[in-house]
Amino acid sequence: EVVMTQSPATLSVSPGERATLSCRASQSVTSSLAWYQQKPGQAPRLLIYGASTRATGIPARFSGSGSGTEFTLTISSLQSEDFAVYYCQQYNNWPYTFGQGTKLEIK
Amino acid sequence: EVQLVESGGGLVQPGGSLRLSCAASGFTFSDYWMHWVRQDPGRGLVWVSHINSDGSTTTYADSVKGRFTISRDNAKNTLFLQMNSLRAEDTAVYYCARDVWFDYWGQGTLVTVSS
Repeated sequence: EVVMTQSPATLSVSPGERATLSCRASQSVTSSLAWYQQKPGQAPRLLIYGASTRATGIPARFSGSGSGTEFTLTISSLQSEDFAVYYCQQYNNWPYTFGQGTKLEIK
Repeated sequence: EVQLVESGGGLVQPGGSLRLSCAASGFTFSDYWMHWVRQDPGRGLVWVSHINSDGSTTTYADSVKGRFTISRDNAKNTLFLQMNSLRAEDTAVYYCARDVWFDYWGQGTLVTVSS
């Protein structure tokens, strides 16, 4: 099973600043990597797939990069609605696996 | 508008069974892979099972293999998860999700396994 490790567990950032979230895979997942945002009481929402392609309706301030085992989600200028938990997920190998999440909180 | 609506969750005793449903609308259901994903209360996401577009191929997490069965009815635009021999550790919110990279999710249905 591919283990996905996200860092940091919690990230404190001020509105308007940049946030950088990391995700590492225990083996190569090529570019088969997605990022999701989840707010309390809601289902996750797809942000990025294919490591760097924004999903429909996702603002341009969200960007993804990386391939192989190292991936990054960057939010260029944090808005109040961006404070949430973010998960990465690989879909290169069965079973599909998620990272444990990064909680993005207001500083 | 794409919509996925889960139902069938509830309280069940250990060893019991439940059947979850996911009603799909707003897209051609028979064109897409579908998945079940669960989330332990207050914790992270765990992929549970997948089914391909025509139902001929299914995949399961080791933790549910042999106990859960995924299926679909493309004529009725509905995805199912039959859950047998339920354990306390199966307690979670269960989501259905569409396509390879889960581009749409339902709102979830809570399954509680407890005596």
